Amino acid sequence: EAQVTQNPRYLITVTGKKLTVTCSQNMNHEYMSWYRQDPGLGLRQIYYSMNVEVTDKGDVPEGYKVSRKEKRNFPLILESPSPNQTSLYFCASSLKYQETQYFGPGTRLLVL
Amino acid sequence: SQQGEEDPQALSIQEGENATMNCSYKTSINNLQWYRQNSGRGLVHLILIRSNEREKHSGRLRVTLDTSKKSSSLLITASRAADTASYFCATDASTNAGKSTFGDGTTLTVKP
Repeated sequence: EAQVTQNPRYLITVTGKKLTVTCSQNMNHEYMSWYRQDPGLGLRQIYYSMNVEVTDKGDVPEGYKVSRKEKRNFPLILESPSPNQTSLYFCASSLKYQETQYFGPGTRLLVL
Repeated sequence: SQQGEEDPQALSIQEGENATMNCSYKTSINNLQWYRQNSGRGLVHLILIRSNEREKHSGRLRVTLDTSKKSSSLLITASRAADTASYFCATDASTNAGKSTFGDGTTLTVKP
């Protein structure tokens, strides 16, 4: 089944403890992106990747890192999480940029 | 503020009625997409309309795009209770390749 998977789905952590949220797609998509969604708001783009080894900042990249060493994986890294990074995170992929994006199920993160 | 802004923020209608929601954006785009989100879940793609298209249909959905006014509308005809969800527009700018900007969404409630 074609899909985007994220792990973990739920995470409670403490300030400063490094964490990684994984994202994987099995559709051979070139474009991948991370978004965060806060209550009552739309999605804000954190980072995106046009292809392997090509990543760039979105609108809210502060406090986050990403890597794209393989086409299928696009992990989101929080080196030193802070409470303002408590949010719902979505990974998405598309065949190419500007095509339909397929979203993962989301990761709910709570930073205490 | 976001590139895409939806209007209204919330809409409540009776089953069988039509629902119209609007999206405005600020910069030139290559395409505009509409997505649906059920209560904190991942977004599901509805329709993609390119900048050289004016109208597109998919089942009970009709999307229009007016690039001169930098606006789009999503019409859901003969609404059903199952259409209750949040609807977001997303724009892929003609510059800043890779960036994808979502609006804050319209929350639609369809009462049975």
